[in-house]
Amino acid sequence: EVQLVESGGDLVQPGGSLRLSCAASGFTFSSYALSWVRQAPGRGLEWISFISAGGDTTVYADSVKGRFTISRDNAKNSLYLQMTNLRDEDTAVYYCARAYYHDRSGYYVGGDYWGQGTLVTVSS
Amino acid sequence: EIVMTQSPVTLSVSPGERATLSCRASQNIRSNVAWYQQKPGQAPRLLIYAASTRATGIPGSFSGSGSGTEFTLTISSLQSEDFAVYYCQHYNNWPPLFIFGPGTRVDI
Repeated sequence: EVQLVESGGDLVQPGGSLRLSCAASGFTFSSYALSWVRQAPGRGLEWISFISAGGDTTVYADSVKGRFTISRDNAKNSLYLQMTNLRDEDTAVYYCARAYYHDRSGYYVGGDYWGQGTLVTVSS
Repeated sequence: EIVMTQSPVTLSVSPGERATLSCRASQNIRSNVAWYQQKPGQAPRLLIYAASTRATGIPGSFSGSGSGTEFTLTISSLQSEDFAVYYCQHYNNWPPLFIFGPGTRVDI
């Protein structure tokens, strides 16, 4: 059974830093790209970052570019999100998601498996 | 930059009825659309990709259609477990970028 379990969410002051982790099991972790998606309280979904299976390609939404860093450790089946210079508007539940690759089109179409999320609250 | 919009914001439907949700892209995105369902307190669930292909394990009551700028998710006969928020999402080729619509809430 595919499982993704996020951790590391906390209350942090504006300008602070936090590192989220996502522990994966039930699939060959090193063969899959992954993403982080967040959801502010009562709001919609916002994709924020993508990392390729080997970790050599990373992509960021403009809202977090330069402040957040996605990384992975394939030996530990783990995905990470290092967040710095946090702002009030970064308050959200952060989900990790396995990226589904559609062979026929050659596109990553989104997340086929998701964790339950971890809450990050940025407030003074 | 591509913007995804969804209508209506809220759709009130009776169990057993058909629900039709709309999604519009600000420019031609071919068939590069996925649909997700999210229930309160739960993670999103992938329903449809490539505009009309059901994801693994998704029942036939869910169907997607459209291409270009106009897309539709249809739930043929609403069951109690289908009341949720539904998001459309555009995906890019390379580099991968994912843009969500604001969602449509389907309630009783």
